[in-house]
Amino acid sequence: AQSVTQLGSHVSVSEGALVLLRCNYSSSVPPYLFWYVQYPNQGLQLLLKYTSAATLVKGINGFEAEFKKSETSFHLTKPSAHMSDAAEYFCAVSEDQGAQKLVFGQGTRLTINP
Amino acid sequence: NAGVTQTPKFQVLKTGQSMTLQCAQDMNHEYMSWYRQDPGMGLRLIHYSVGAGITDQGEVPNGYNVSRSTTEDFPLRLLSAAPSQTSVYFCASSYRERNTEAFFGQGTRLTVV
Repeated sequence: AQSVTQLGSHVSVSEGALVLLRCNYSSSVPPYLFWYVQYPNQGLQLLLKYTSAATLVKGINGFEAEFKKSETSFHLTKPSAHMSDAAEYFCAVSEDQGAQKLVFGQGTRLTINP
Repeated sequence: NAGVTQTPKFQVLKTGQSMTLQCAQDMNHEYMSWYRQDPGMGLRLIHYSVGAGITDQGEVPNGYNVSRSTTEDFPLRLLSAAPSQTSVYFCASSYRERNTEAFFGQGTRLTVV
């Protein structure tokens, strides 16, 4: 079975600093990978997805992620953090070619310090 | 478009009671899924469906039933609620094609006392 590991359940950065959220996956086949964001008391919103078209994926709100097959990683970055980025972030991998069976990481809560 | 709509948003049940969490989508998605979210555990798949009349179990199916009689609706039934089922439940839907993402509802926060 596939699995996803997010290193760091809590990450805190200063406003304007680099954001780096780590995600490693295990998969025996080329994976479909996703980053979702969850704001308090809301559902999950897609930030970006990797579907093998390009290893560097750009998403919404200035986020991007790089797929590294040799490291089985899909880390999420943003050059300059904004207060509105405070949320919980989830990395997920699809067990199938569709998105009906997602396997999620434990989540990383991002705090932005003024 | 409303997207994925879940009702109710909040619910308190007593142990042993039954209830149905409703989920409806208006995007004509073939696939629908139910997840539960618990602190420190991310989201875990309960049941999913690839079309009307077709359902299958996910990682944590015990204590839950589903059915899918229409493309739009995918209700989740708790037959006899237990405190261990206290959680936030999310419904999601997606297209059948490759390279698609799941769209999530706003969630139902369930407390079993």
